Amino acid sequence: DAGITQSPRYKITETGRQVTLMCHQTWSHSYMFWYRQDLGHGLRLIYYSAAADITDKGEVPDGYVVSRSKTENFPLTLESATRSQTSVYFCASGIAGETQYFGPGTRLLVL
Amino acid sequence: GNSVTQMEGPVTLSEEAFLTINCTYTATGYPSLFWYVQYPGEGLQLLLKATKADDKGSNKGFEATYRKETTSFHLEKGSVQVSDSAVYFCARNSGYALNFGKGTSLLVTP
Repeated sequence: DAGITQSPRYKITETGRQVTLMCHQTWSHSYMFWYRQDLGHGLRLIYYSAAADITDKGEVPDGYVVSRSKTENFPLTLESATRSQTSVYFCASGIAGETQYFGPGTRLLVL
Repeated sequence: GNSVTQMEGPVTLSEEAFLTINCTYTATGYPSLFWYVQYPGEGLQLLLKATKADDKGSNKGFEATYRKETTSFHLEKGSVQVSDSAVYFCARNSGYALNFGKGTSLLVTP
């Protein structure tokens, strides 16, 4: 099906573990984004990518790593998870500075 | 920076009431403006957008007009339904990305 998907939808992990959140889009949008959503903060941009092999930091990049070897995939890795990274993570794709299309989100709990 | 400020919620309305959710943006450049809606347990969906001054975006009975003189993009609906209960986010573009407000939770009661 066309669209943007995220996996897993729910994840529980422990402090210090590495976690990778997956994002896949079928529109061939050049731009992809990772946001985290927390109460009182709204959505904050973690990383974005303008094209394959081009990534850049957003507002809150510390503790996260991204890669984009293919246009359609944009995984987000927490190298050593911390409790402060408990959040809902949204991936989005779109055209630079214009409409973004969001995935359903991944709810991550770090114990 | 290129920020967006929207009224804090929660907003509670009875069905068929008139809705206004205020949104103002920093007047840097000539941004496109957006309203997104997030239903419980889901991602954000584009509700409407406007790309230049005096444009009116509309969708599903919701409207918002790009007011450059007041740097505002207030969301309105004449008669809300229970199914409109959701969180609404105002956003503006900032370079390659979008800057979002903190969201306004709307609860519509029968």
